Amino acid sequence: EPEVTQTPSHQVTQMGQEVILRCVPISNHLYFYWYRQILGQKVEFLVSFYNNEISEKSEIFDDQFSVERPDGSNFTLKIRSTKLEDSAMYFCASSYDSEQFFGPGTRLTVL
Amino acid sequence: EDKVVQSPLSLVVHEGDTVTLNCSYEVTNFRSLLWYKQEKKAPTFLFMLTSSGIEKKSGRLSSILDKKELFSILNITATQTGDSAVYLCVNAGNNRKLIWGLGTSLAVNP
Repeated sequence: EPEVTQTPSHQVTQMGQEVILRCVPISNHLYFYWYRQILGQKVEFLVSFYNNEISEKSEIFDDQFSVERPDGSNFTLKIRSTKLEDSAMYFCASSYDSEQFFGPGTRLTVL
Repeated sequence: EDKVVQSPLSLVVHEGDTVTLNCSYEVTNFRSLLWYKQEKKAPTFLFMLTSSGIEKKSGRLSSILDKKELFSILNITATQTGDSAVYLCVNAGNNRKLIWGLGTSLAVNP
C-alpha cells in the first residue's frame, strides 16, 4: 500500500541553524501539506501546496519557513533559523481529495 | 472563526465498554469531516463523512454526521486495549485546510 515517507525521523539542531525536513508524498496525489504538533498540544496546520505553489498558509508559517517540491517527488520544509519553540513533531501529508494521508513525522529538537 | 470542539478531552474505560466520542464544529464552506486515530506518531485515517445521517462502519468503530446540528459522533463498541489512543476530529473546508480538534484521549484498561 502506498504511503507517505519522511526523513529524518528525528533531528536535533542548535538554535539559529537551518533545517530541511523531507517528505515523499504518495505518487498520484496532487495536494501536499505540512503540519506540526508541539508535545502535548494539538496538530497545527502550517501550509498547503498545489500545482507548484502555496495554496494556503497559517500565521505560524512566517518568513523563516519555506516549502519546495524540487524534483516532482520530494516535498521539503525548510526552517531558516530555528528557534527553541520550533521543537515539535512535523508531519507531512498528501491527498488526492479530502482524505489526507500522513507520514510518520520528523521529530525536531532545537537546543 | 472556524473551530472544532471535541468532548470529552479524556476518557478511561475498561475493556468491553462502549464509548461515544463527540465532535461539534463551526466551519465555513464545509466539505467533509474526518476522524483520525493518533497513537504514538502520525494520525491514521478512520472515516470521512460528507452526508448527514449515513453511518460509516469499520469493525467495532462507527461514525455519523449531523450537518444540521453541526455534530458528529464516533462510537467504539467492545473496546480493547489496542483502542487506546487520541481520537481526532477534523474538518475539511473547500480550501483543503484541515481544522483540528484537540482530540479525545481514550485509555482502555484491561
